[in-house]
Amino acid sequence: QTVVTQEPSFSVSPGGTVTLTCGLSSGSVSINYYPSWYQQTPGQAPRTLIYSTHTRSSGVPDRFSGSILGNKAALTITGAQADDESDYYCVLYMGSGFLFGGGTKLTVL
Amino acid sequence: EVQLVESGGGLGQPGGSLRLSCAASGFTFSSYTMNWVRQAPGKGLEWVSNIGSSSDSIHYADSVKGRFTISRDNAKNSLYLQMNSLRAEDTAVYYCAKMRFPYYYMDVWGKGTTVTVSS
Repeated sequence: QTVVTQEPSFSVSPGGTVTLTCGLSSGSVSINYYPSWYQQTPGQAPRTLIYSTHTRSSGVPDRFSGSILGNKAALTITGAQADDESDYYCVLYMGSGFLFGGGTKLTVL
Repeated sequence: EVQLVESGGGLGQPGGSLRLSCAASGFTFSSYTMNWVRQAPGKGLEWVSNIGSSSDSIHYADSVKGRFTISRDNAKNSLYLQMNSLRAEDTAVYYCAKMRFPYYYMDVWGKGTTVTVSS
């Protein structure tokens, strides 16, 4: 059974840079999985940040960027702000449906 | 304004059934693949099912296959999820989400409806 792996938690200082990663239990993440990233705060619906590896969704600040780093997809936040403290989910398209990572809880302090 | 509004959540009995609905507005519903995604209390997001624009293509996560049925009515701009043989582990907030082709991601989400399975 294929699993999408993410760091369970991460911490960043205000103004700092953090890179969250998204891997596959078997194999490498490539653009062919159309990696996307979503931000979710408690009690709210997910918000789309990045799609097709690196394209920012409408209205998303340019401090959020997506890429492939080695064999993983990555979400980098440059100049983290207090309201970036959220859960972040990576999603891969598997050809018929989607596979979500377990999410990364980002703390900004 | 593009909007998705889920309804139909509530308390379901183990082994029982519930039917969720998602009303779409602000876009041409009949042109898009639609998805259901759920989130158990305190847990991460889990993709449940999707259905092609003309109901030609339907897929399920293994965890719900054979118990849940996704459908849509394009004339009513509505998406449905028939949930049978409910289990405690189906307790979750259920979101409907529009898929954007050919980028294969979910660009519009509803606010969710809560399903609780308990006796």
